[in-house]
Amino acid sequence: SQQGEEDPQALSIQEGENATMNCSYKTSINNLQWYRQNSGRGLVHLILIRSNEREKHSGRLRVTLDTSKKSSSLLITASRAADTASYFCATKTSYDKVIFGPGTSLSVIP
Amino acid sequence: GAVVSQHPSWVICKSGTSVKIECRSLDFQATTMFWYRQFPKQSLMLMATSNEGSKATYEQGVEKDKFLINHASLTLSTLTVTSAHPEDSSFYICSASPGLAGFTDTQYFGPGTRLTVL
Repeated sequence: SQQGEEDPQALSIQEGENATMNCSYKTSINNLQWYRQNSGRGLVHLILIRSNEREKHSGRLRVTLDTSKKSSSLLITASRAADTASYFCATKTSYDKVIFGPGTSLSVIP
Repeated sequence: GAVVSQHPSWVICKSGTSVKIECRSLDFQATTMFWYRQFPKQSLMLMATSNEGSKATYEQGVEKDKFLINHASLTLSTLTVTSAHPEDSSFYICSASPGLAGFTDTQYFGPGTRLTVL
């Protein structure tokens, strides 16, 4: 069953702009992860944030986690055309399962 | 980083035949492997979790007799789609983790296998 839900479902921005995607989930989690998937390809792990962390950075990526609101956001700064992909949040529960949200399709226009 | 491979990368088969998909961890021992299915423009749906040497745990709604999973070694898990039908056409992705159950923070994903059933 789906746990995370991303919004927006689709996002189109100009190169150089920032892109923000949000993820909400329903149950308690151990950690939340963000992945990228280029069309028809496998997943690329971007960043993991644990339930006791509030913010994490990795290069142009910034992830926040608000466990009280059961939500997370992924910010991509200074976007590039190569960032065009689908982005998924995935939550890990205490039962060891990783459940993916429906994803946000990001288009970065050169 | 850790590498997970899948074979084949794509397969086309006739309705009623069985198809086996392999998932291998190339440079680490995968205690736990996960199988996902992804339909076009949709998210990944967890099908089952397998631990080396034991029976797979299937998610609700996934037919264990139709999707046979074998995790016979620490580097190989196979998914066999038995008596495949067109509705089984999908993108199947595996992931592998070096951790024991309860400690699988790190999962490494394979590149996926696209199955088309005619």
